[in-house]
Amino acid sequence: QSVLTQPPSVSGAPGQRVTISCTGSSSNIGAGYDVHWFQQLPGTAPKLLVYGNNYRPSGVPDRFSGSKSGTSASLAITGLQAEDEADYYCQSYDSGAWVFGGGTKLTVL
Amino acid sequence: QVQLVESGGGLVKPGGSLRLSCVASGFTFRDYYMIWIRQVPGKGLEWVSYMSHTGGTIYYAASVQGRFTISRDNARNSLYLQMDSLRDDDTAVYYCARIIVARIGEPSKYQFDLWGRGTLVTVSS
Repeated sequence: QSVLTQPPSVSGAPGQRVTISCTGSSSNIGAGYDVHWFQQLPGTAPKLLVYGNNYRPSGVPDRFSGSKSGTSASLAITGLQAEDEADYYCQSYDSGAWVFGGGTKLTVL
Repeated sequence: QVQLVESGGGLVKPGGSLRLSCVASGFTFRDYYMIWIRQVPGKGLEWVSYMSHTGGTIYYAASVQGRFTISRDNARNSLYLQMDSLRDDDTAVYYCARIIVARIGEPSKYQFDLWGRGTLVTVSS
């Protein structure tokens, strides 16, 4: 069982907006630790998508955005595209360890 | 080309050993902290071990403490993971990743910004 909780799956039609939640606790996200998000396309390594709660690395489209409030964080994807179909993971820090969410599979209908 | 390439995975019996390598290219390896992260096929991610750029700071996840040893050779642009006393639950794809240290001493701000393609370790009798 992961320290950070994500929904197993979300879905949306092309062009729609979807959000993926990441729920933590007072010992990780609620302690003020940063949240980062990764995208893992089928058969590939994870790719850093959002860092420091709401910053995008160079090359990541602005359709992807992160937010954090209290003990939770969210990843929003607008203008959904077929190529966004992937697994998404949140990551933070807790009690001396980097921790990940269990992952959310995004299906583009 | 900026990349990380892992190797050394394979099939090993419980109690056996394996040494993974990660070769960096396209960037100044000696300037970067590095980390090993693993993923059970079809499952989530788990950090395994971390090393600072000089090798002076090392951390291990509780699940591998005492069994795995991380090391690096900056002259060879390489990171290593020596895995001993392997168990069935060590079966996973092992990734090495580069760390951007946004603020020294604040590990929550460390960014895993470049990953290799991974190497599969299977522990089975």
